[in-house]
Amino acid sequence: AQKITQTQPGMFVQEKEAVTLDCTYDTSDQSYGLFWYKQPSSGEMIFLIYQGSYDEQNATEGRYSLNFQKARKSANLVISASQLGDSAMYFCAMREGDTGGFKTIFGAGTRLFVKA
Amino acid sequence: DAGITQSPRYKITETGRQVTLMCHQTWSHSYMFWYRQDLGHGLRLIYYSAAADITDKGEVPDGYVVSRSKTENFPLTLESATRSQTSVYFCASTQARNTEAFFGQGTRLTVV
Repeated sequence: AQKITQTQPGMFVQEKEAVTLDCTYDTSDQSYGLFWYKQPSSGEMIFLIYQGSYDEQNATEGRYSLNFQKARKSANLVISASQLGDSAMYFCAMREGDTGGFKTIFGAGTRLFVKA
Repeated sequence: DAGITQSPRYKITETGRQVTLMCHQTWSHSYMFWYRQDLGHGLRLIYYSAAADITDKGEVPDGYVVSRSKTENFPLTLESATRSQTSVYFCASTQARNTEAFFGQGTRLTVV
């Protein structure tokens, strides 16, 4: 069954340091996509990064990179050089399927606190 | 305005009443989703849709009904609201499997 697990309810990081947010997933599909979203206190959902199951290289977007370990079914988000504005909820999501509705489910989230 | 819009933004209703949350997107995205967000649970998928007249149940569909007669609209109806349906509801849309979903602003629903 499709499942996403984020085991860190809250994380603290010092400004300018790197932080890794964990995400593990479970799926029986060979084709799937993994996403990370940020939700600041204002409530909107902001897309950060995407990794396809067939992508051989880890995705990167500016200060965000996705550490994709397919055999371990993990898709951890790495934020380099943390900034105060990175304080937010972070959600990992997985989308299954080559056809059909592309069911997309989310993890419970990790709240990141960046300290000055 | 281009984008994805939810209405109303805030709603208070009584137990047992029917309430419909609206979602409208202007991109003609094929795929649309409804989620509810509750503390400790993240976003849970209620229903999703691949196209007009094609919908499917998500993780927590009980007590909800959806329809999609037009590509751009995806209303969510609570047939008989319960207090456990108090939540923030998000609608989202995407064009393809490998593209990000765009989210509405959310609807905060309180059932009293």
